[in-house]
Amino acid sequence: SQQGEEDPQALSIQEGENATMNCSYKTSINNLQWYRQNSGRGLVHLILIRSNEREKHSGRLRVTLDTSKKSSSLLITASRAADTASYFCATEGDFGNEKLTFGTGTRLTIIP
Amino acid sequence: ETGVTQSPTHLIKTRGQQVTLRCSSQSGHNTVSWYQQALGQGPQFIFQYYREEENGRGNFPPRFSGLQFPNYSSELNVNALELDDSALYLCASSPRFGDGENEKLFFGSGTQLSVL
Repeated sequence: SQQGEEDPQALSIQEGENATMNCSYKTSINNLQWYRQNSGRGLVHLILIRSNEREKHSGRLRVTLDTSKKSSSLLITASRAADTASYFCATEGDFGNEKLTFGTGTRLTIIP
Repeated sequence: ETGVTQSPTHLIKTRGQQVTLRCSSQSGHNTVSWYQQALGQGPQFIFQYYREEENGRGNFPPRFSGLQFPNYSSELNVNALELDDSALYLCASSPRFGDGENEKLFFGSGTQLSVL
């Protein structure tokens, strides 16, 4: 079963705009991670935020975490065509020790 | 790119057959996890191996089994293949007790399995 649900399922924006994706999850977590997947191949880790953190930045990425609402958001600023991919949130909680439960993903398309 | 390699990249089998998928973990990583990703879905945790022993399992039947070898490479075996086993199978490694964010996973490019 999927722990998280991303919203929206699909997003298309113009290059240079900001993209925001949201993730909701169901149970308590140790951390929440975001991954990117290009064309149905391997996933690439983007950023990890721990349950005691509220916001984290990495380059053009900003992640927020609200454990009271069991939700997270990923903001990609100044989007580029290369950002076109599927984005997944993943939580470590149900199984522990790097056993992640992934959401359903947001398909992001950047229009040049 | 990560240092995790998977083979083969594509595989076609028929229902009832058995399949073995292989994964070489990134150097220095002693933990390997396997995930199944159906089309249009997020990856689902199958099981994890740590120091050659199964260390947690998701909601998959016993016909999904695995091995980890002393060099930390791993195999995923699926017996009695069913049509619903058609999916992308992803292997991921992690350092467990390294420095920094040990929880993040390094994924291979996956094996696309089609069951006819």
